[in-house]
Amino acid sequence: KAGVTQTPRYLIKTRGQQVTLSCSPISGHRSVSWYQQTPGQGLQFLFEYFSETQRNKGNFPGRFSGRQFSNSRSEMNVSTLELGDSALYLCASSLWGHNQPQHFGDGTRLSIL
Amino acid sequence: GNSVTQMEGPVTLSEEAFLTINCTYTATGYPSLFWYVQYPGEGLQLLLKATKADDKGSNKGFEATYRKETTSFHLEKGSVQVSDSAVYFCALSDTALRNSGGSNYKLTFGKGTLLTVNP
Repeated sequence: KAGVTQTPRYLIKTRGQQVTLSCSPISGHRSVSWYQQTPGQGLQFLFEYFSETQRNKGNFPGRFSGRQFSNSRSEMNVSTLELGDSALYLCASSLWGHNQPQHFGDGTRLSIL
Repeated sequence: GNSVTQMEGPVTLSEEAFLTINCTYTATGYPSLFWYVQYPGEGLQLLLKATKADDKGSNKGFEATYRKETTSFHLEKGSVQVSDSAVYFCALSDTALRNSGGSNYKLTFGKGTLLTVNP
């Protein structure tokens, strides 16, 4: 069974640009969450989607947004990139239901120059 | 709010040594608790979980027991191997969201502990 797939693996952008990251969940998983990982702040929750609806959002500015498609694939977008947005962005998917664990992809490494 | 505190590390051990990585948490209600492992250049892999007090999660020789009285979930392994070298994260789920019928889709993580095992 294929795992969570994130593309691209690496991305280099400059300040002020925007970027879109993609996540394909495990087949049958309808919940997709996004996390930002940085050396200083660690792993922080960005948002979660289920059935194309954002159900919960972390404490990030409005420049960070996302969406989910009918096939459960998800994208996140960051506009007006800042140096501090350099991070590993992780996507996780899970089945709906009590105590279902999240399964993570290998992440997209975003570097802002 | 929810929070997870785990020992900072790095932790350096010799092969076959005993491992303990401490994890304590603050949360409302009774969260589910997890240990994830991250190998270089990869995402997080679920190592083990426990969903209620006194539950013991175990996998690949690793164990952790959900201690409600001490709000702890310490990770242990009796004999580490070089291949166990990685970063280990303790995490908890959001109880309010779980109780609403959802899955563990909002995790709060500790800062991570780097483990290096030397041959």
